[in-house]
Amino acid sequence: AQSVTQPDIHITVSEGASLELRCNYSYGATPYLFWYVQSPGQGLQLLLKYFSGDTLVQGIKGFEAEFKRSQSSFNLRKPSVHWSDAAEYFCAPSFSGGYNKLIFGAGTRLAVHP
Amino acid sequence: DTAVSQTPKYLVTQMGNDKSIKCEQNLGHDTMYWYKQDSKKFLKIMFSYNNKELIINETVPNRFSPKSPDKAHLNLHINSLELGDSAVYFCASSQGGSGGPPDTQYFGPGTRLTVL
Repeated sequence: AQSVTQPDIHITVSEGASLELRCNYSYGATPYLFWYVQSPGQGLQLLLKYFSGDTLVQGIKGFEAEFKRSQSSFNLRKPSVHWSDAAEYFCAPSFSGGYNKLIFGAGTRLAVHP
Repeated sequence: DTAVSQTPKYLVTQMGNDKSIKCEQNLGHDTMYWYKQDSKKFLKIMFSYNNKELIINETVPNRFSPKSPDKAHLNLHINSLELGDSAVYFCASSQGGSGGPPDTQYFGPGTRLTVL
């Protein structure tokens, strides 16, 4: 069965600290992988995506993610978190590839302490 | 210019009513989507249209009916509203929709529906 898991529902970090948000998927092949961010009261914005090639991808706002096939993971990282990064983060694989169907994880809510 | 817009932003209504949410995109995209986000932030696709043709139709009650008058618009009509329909509904669009790697989906700001 195709599924995605974001194990951390809520993460709190201090401003300036590093961040890693976890994402694991279950699928017989490599899906297309996306990370989206949702700021409070807003729609979703694409942070980055992975289709193939270099397994470390760079995104907007200083975020990066690393695809690890052996672990079926696509974790999101940022070396130094800013207060404005407080938001909900969604990992979203696309398994079919044919109809752009995204399967969203449950999301990780990030809180940033000053 | 707003890329993907939705109206209304907030919708409060009584159980049993019929309501519509409108979505428009000015990105020239071929594909549009409706998602439902529940109170726990869980986001699930409902429908997708590519060039006015329905291509994704998830397990959604038939009280929900999408309509795409042209490829820039995708409206969502809901009949006989129920308490469980309360959620935030997001519209999105993307360039492609069938074949090849998926294109980035651009989301609207959402419509918060509250059914009393």
